[in-house]
Parts: sequence; structure tokens; C-alpha cells
Amino acid sequence: EADIYQTPRYLVIGTGKKITLECSQTMGHDKMYWYQQDPGMELHLIHYSYGVNSTEKGDLSSESTVSRIRTEHFPLTLESARPSHTSQYLCASSERGGRTDTQYFGPGTRLTVL
Amino acid sequence: AQSVAQPEDQVNVAEGNPLTVKCTYSVSGNPYLFWYVQYPNRGLQFLLKYITGDNLVKGSYGFEAEFNKSQTSFHLKKPSALVSDSALYFCAVRDARNFNKFYFGSGTKLNVKP
Repeated sequence: EADIYQTPRYLVIGTGKKITLECSQTMGHDKMYWYQQDPGMELHLIHYSYGVNSTEKGDLSSESTVSRIRTEHFPLTLESARPSHTSQYLCASSERGGRTDTQYFGPGTRLTVL
Repeated sequence: AQSVAQPEDQVNVAEGNPLTVKCTYSVSGNPYLFWYVQYPNRGLQFLLKYITGDNLVKGSYGFEAEFNKSQTSFHLKKPSALVSDSALYFCAVRDARNFNKFYFGSGTKLNVKP
């Protein structure tokens, strides 16, 4: 079991609310990722970071933002949640510099916006 | 563009029988290929990867995958399926230009019946 944690695991919230999904890892990995996954569907990369103070957008357009102030922490924020944001959000991390970049995933946050 | 395809939404096998979950890829350059498994309400878990070397890659829980360059395939296999193997399986490829990006297939649901 990988040492990567996500909170909350489940969140139901009303439209227009600001929310932050937390992700932390204790493996000292430089690289971290956020994916969006609809139930039983493929993963879409929405943000990634290859170190402190570095963040990049992924291929899937997202209204969320991320920050990377500490190596172990990579929170994702939605300023104003909408029903279209309802999905599962998966956080992952991997070592930097490795040729293989095996990713370790957290358990996910299932977000429902009413 | 890099991509992977999993042509089967679902695979059904009887316990004790061999199983195959199919994956084909499209990359420019050498492919770095991965298989992950996802159990209900969990994040993805790494199973195995192909970087270079032997075409037959052995991974966790008795799984293996065969890399076939001419057919651009990376099928996941197991000689004898267990009921506990029932889960969602994802094939992934690393972007050949941006090592921070990974592209996942749409997933294949494996059902192993007693």
C-alpha cells in the first residue's frame, strides 16, 4: 500500500462553494499529479508538478488550480464548484529522474456538486 | 500523439482459466508501458511496466504482460484467474516528449466467476 493520502474521501457540496481537495505523500516524491476520472472511465490528467513551486496544466481543461509549496503536499482547489465538476479525483506521485516513473495513487476523492 | 486503446470494456473468465486483457498503443519513439489495477473505491495500483529488454514482463499478483512491437500491443495475462482478480484494469503509456504526462486507456472490467 502506497503512502499517499487524500482527504476527504467523499464530498457532497452545493453549487458555488469553494473547495480544496487535499493530497499528501510521505515518500519524498518530487512529481505529483491530479487526475479526473468519471466512474469506470479513463483517467484524464488535469494538473501535475515536478517539484516545489512548479505546476503545469494537463491535457484536460479544468477550472481548478493547484499549488506546491511543500514537497509532500499538492492540494487542488475549485473556487466555485459546479455540477459539471462532479467526478472522482485521483492524486498520484512518482520519483523524479527515474526512467520508469511508476506512479503511486491515493484512494481518490469522490466529489458530488449539487 | 501518444495514446493507448483497450478494445474490451469487459472480460469474463471462469476461475482457474487463463485471462487476457488487451491493450494497443500508439507512440512516437520507444514506448514506456504500464498496467494498473483499480479495486472498487480505491486508487490505482501498479502491476507492471515495460521499459526495455525482455518482451515478457512479470509483475505483481502473478500477472504478466507481453510486449509486441510489430502489433503495437501490450496485453496483460495471467495463467490462472482468481475471483479476487475481479477489478478494473488500466493500460497506460508515458508521453515520449513530456515525461511528466501519462495517457491511460478507458479501462477493462475483469469479471472472474467461481
